[in-house]
Amino acid sequence: EAGVAQSPRYKIIEKRQSVAFWCNPISGHATLYWYQQILGQGPKLLIQFQNNGVVDDSQLPKDRFSAERLKGVDSTLKIQPAKLEDSAVYLCASSLERFRATQYFGPGTRLLVL
Amino acid sequence: SQQGEEDPQALSIQEGENATMNCSYKTSINNLQWYRQNSGRGLVHLILIRSNEREKHSGRLRVTLDTSKKSSSLLITASRAADTASYFCAQGAQKLVFGQGTRLTINP
Repeated sequence: EAGVAQSPRYKIIEKRQSVAFWCNPISGHATLYWYQQILGQGPKLLIQFQNNGVVDDSQLPKDRFSAERLKGVDSTLKIQPAKLEDSAVYLCASSLERFRATQYFGPGTRLLVL
Repeated sequence: SQQGEEDPQALSIQEGENATMNCSYKTSINNLQWYRQNSGRGLVHLILIRSNEREKHSGRLRVTLDTSKKSSSLLITASRAADTASYFCAQGAQKLVFGQGTRLTINP
């Protein structure tokens, strides 16, 4: 079974630029998550999708971050404009169902904002 | 906040020794999960323990849960160099909340 795919793996941008990350979850997984992991900390949930609908985006900085999951499969996370404090690893995960399910993580995208 | 707290923040042991990591949490839970993260990689699910379970085993891993103390522990027996990683506990039914993790280093 193929795992969660993410691209790019690394990205370096200057502040105020925009950046987009892509995620392809495990086939058949209805729930998709985006996490932000700052160096030395645990992952923090940014947004959770159930199929193509948003379940939880309470910790997403909506003035600069946006995410979509068209057709309930792939998802993109965008930052515009980026700030220095956005430097982090952005992890995508998926699970078969919404509640009490094991989450499967992709390798992450490491973002450095200069 | 439901955030779990792992203890210690860092642990360094010799290969072959056992490693124990602890996790404390604040609110009642349905289950608690442990994940491993190798450097530069995504997280890998290790084990899930339900609130009505006290102990669970998976290979060299042993997880205990004490709901009265709101704590869990992860024991890795006969550690190997490949066990070097960060270990996180996570809780939540719909939304997982992760602690800051324990960085485990296994020295050859």
